[in-house]
Amino acid sequence: GAVVSQHPSWVICKSGTSVKIECRSLDFQATTMFWYRQFPKQSLMLMATSNEGSKATYEQGVEKDKFLINHASLTLSTLTVTSAHPEDSSFYICSVGGYTFGSGTRLTVV
Amino acid sequence: KQEVTQIPAALSVPEGENLVLNCSFTDSAIYNLQWFRQDPGKGLTSLLLIQSSQREQTSGRLNASLDKSSGRSTLYIAASQPGDSATYLCAVRRSGGTNAGKSTFGDGTTLTVKP
Repeated sequence: GAVVSQHPSWVICKSGTSVKIECRSLDFQATTMFWYRQFPKQSLMLMATSNEGSKATYEQGVEKDKFLINHASLTLSTLTVTSAHPEDSSFYICSVGGYTFGSGTRLTVV
Repeated sequence: KQEVTQIPAALSVPEGENLVLNCSFTDSAIYNLQWFRQDPGKGLTSLLLIQSSQREQTSGRLNASLDKSSGRSTLYIAASQPGDSATYLCAVRRSGGTNAGKSTFGDGTTLTVKP
């Protein structure tokens, strides 16, 4: 399977600021990547599908203007949490091709 | 809408015991099913992937079965060890088209193996 690198592993930010999370496919050209969110003691929920060269598709209930996804190349997708609030604190994890997952990013908004 | 349920939510066993984790799903039109391990605060480690046409997959002490018609999968862990302590997640992958690659996860079973 693909080798996936996700960065940063953890980030603390102040309310109202934006945070960018990167997901890199190191050995596989990925036209599709997926972004999931996991709240404490809960399972992973799909947020959106990142499509190389086109707009991301978002799952129902996910605000596309708040969670900006850019998939500008076959090896990189980014998720930007805009105007972060404490309720956005969560574990964000990306997937390349749906089978291989990154190591996740723990976001804490204070 | 696909729903995935894992039972039990938590399990504590003494070292050396064999155990079974259960996963059930409501829509049998799946592409495949994957079992993962997640350590606290970490990402996902893939354990076993079963295609919809397969009945089981084995890797070392792990054996996963799939009964698509009844919407069930089990993960069997033989001779459990303290290092097996983690949360085990079951993910069901949808068929192709716009759903290709998307996974629906269960809530997981948190396993504790006591020395």
